[in-house]
Formats: sequence, structure tokens, C-alpha cells
Amino acid sequence: ETGVTQTPRHLVMGMTNKKSLKCEQHLGHNAMYWYKQSAKKPLELMFVYNFKEQTENNSVPSRFSPECPNSSHLFLHLHTLQPEDSALYLCASSQEWGTSGMMETQYFGPGTRLLVL
Amino acid sequence: GEDVEQSLFLSVREGDSSVINCTYTDSSSTYLYWYKQEPGAGLQLLTYIFSNMDMKQDQRLTVLLNKKDKHLSLRIADTQTGDSAIYFCAEPSDTGRRALTFGSGTRLQVQP
Repeated sequence: ETGVTQTPRHLVMGMTNKKSLKCEQHLGHNAMYWYKQSAKKPLELMFVYNFKEQTENNSVPSRFSPECPNSSHLFLHLHTLQPEDSALYLCASSQEWGTSGMMETQYFGPGTRLLVL
Repeated sequence: GEDVEQSLFLSVREGDSSVINCTYTDSSSTYLYWYKQEPGAGLQLLTYIFSNMDMKQDQRLTVLLNKKDKHLSLRIADTQTGDSAIYFCAEPSDTGRRALTFGSGTRLQVQP
């Protein structure tokens, strides 16, 4: 596979469930990102990992827990979510983070459409 | 703070040109980006322009940059029904948070 892949593509969960979203990039990049896209807001950056280290947490509630075991994989662990957390969760990667220029160009996965009941 | 603004909706007829506009705030941005999102899909990098350029052409796409007015536009020539999508303008975030700031997206509807 090439590019950025995300699984599952669709997820329905109750507020008491625990689930995980997975992202994998096949581009040899060192930075990975989680974004939230909801109907009423612009694309919101949630987390940034650079060389497996978390470098950005955009005031995300603790019910979202990211994990980056290596530069190619990124997870978003979900627990006790709220209905307002229903959204499209997009993963992206870039060659590096924190530099200016083309290193910042981000390539996106297809997203996981999450519905919290 | 930083803000990227776009109009929300644009409707054109097939074969016409489409122009999608964007204003941004960070004059130090080195690159500016256009992403395309088709229904049910993630964001696809469409094109980008380096900040020392005024114009970039890539097949049917023309990007115009007016740094003085902090205005970016994307022109699609001979618009096709397959161009129907949401188009996002993005700039690198300000110093301290080197990520991308996206506009709210312009939904382009192409009428046959």
C-alpha cells in the first residue's frame, strides 16, 4: 500500500465503549498528525508527533489518547466519548515537523467517520 | 491570531472557469496550500505555491498569490463535474505551532 491509510473507515460506538483508530503511513515520513473535522468547525489539529515524540496537544480532552509506537504508525484511543465527538478523524503525515517550507506539506488519509451514540 | 478565510460555496456550469478565493493572516508563510476533499474522503494535496511566487500554473489549475493583500486564489479552467468537492486553503501556523491552519473550505458545485 502507498500513502496514508486509516482503519476503520467507519465506527459507531456507545459512550461507554473503548475503541482505537489506527493510522499507517508508507511515505517514510517522521511527523504524524491527528485532525478532527466536524460539520460546524474548520479542520482542528488535535495532536502532532515528530520522531515518535508528542510535540503538540491542542487542548484535547483526555478521553482522546494518542499513541505513536514508531514513525509509521499512529493510534487514537477513545474512551467515554460524548455525542459531540462524532466527526471525521483525519490522520496526516509530513516529512518533518517544526521546519518551514516543504517539509510541512501534509498528506492525509481517508479518515475515520466516527458516530458516538 | 491566525485566521484563514474562504467563502463557503461556489456554483459553476461545466466548462466554465471556477475561482476560489482565500485570505490569510501570516505574512511570513513560506508556502500556501490548496487541498481538495471529495465526498467521504480525506484531504488530497492539490497544489501549493511558494511565497516568493505570484503565480503557479499546473495543467487546469492556476494559483495566484497577492502577498500585499494576503490573498490567494485557485482558478480551475474548464471545470468538470469531477471537480465538485470542498477546497481548503491552508497556511503554516504561526511560530511555536508549526502545523497547518486551514480555512473552513469552499464547496464547489459543478452543474452539468
